[in-house]
Amino acid sequence: DQQVKQNSPSLSVQEGRISILNCDYTNSMFDYFLWYKKYPAEGPTFLISISSIKDKNEDGRFTVFLNKSAKHLSLHIVPSQPGDSAVYFCAASGSDMRFGAGTRLTVKP
Amino acid sequence: DGGITQSPKYLFRKEGQNVTLSCEQNLNHDAMYWYRQDPGQGLRLIYYSQIVNDFQKGDIAEGYSVSREKKESFPLTVTSAQKNPTAFYLCASKNVREETQYFGPGTRLLVL
Repeated sequence: DQQVKQNSPSLSVQEGRISILNCDYTNSMFDYFLWYKKYPAEGPTFLISISSIKDKNEDGRFTVFLNKSAKHLSLHIVPSQPGDSAVYFCAASGSDMRFGAGTRLTVKP
Repeated sequence: DGGITQSPKYLFRKEGQNVTLSCEQNLNHDAMYWYRQDPGQGLRLIYYSQIVNDFQKGDIAEGYSVSREKKESFPLTVTSAQKNPTAFYLCASKNVREETQYFGPGTRLLVL
């Protein structure tokens, strides 16, 4: 029962361009959404979050957009840097937290 | 320097053996969690604890056990009943009044 889906297992972008990572969810009871960044053999690190009462949250190069009617959120990274290359997990929180399968982002110099 | 520590970084289990993964946090967080990550999959919840001396099963608790005798510590035992234990295990914690969970560095468990 995948309540949180990241349909793109990988994404490759050129340095300086925009990276857009997408996430869909099915449970309308989720009220808080998070993005985590993970390097190999390390734990995920918290990146940015958004409450369901908002539709946008920005932190430096990172912006998360939430479309509740479509049950869709996205993470925009502008401009993308080689150090952003990692696996990105989206997570949705309600009575518990559910994670997507992750998207591997590769930023090419 | 506050944070979550997990040990060991790598752990090898022999057939029929129980092994225990350590998780310690000094963030004064009330809630602690254990997740399992398999290749190409998201994190799946094994067990969680909202308060000392209390814990709840997650989605994949079979073959695992936990204890929460201290606020700072939430060890996970992988028992011989867990038939497919090879995975990357992640511990997390959070303040119950907040939503964000913070993760430790993980332990990779391998079966000999």
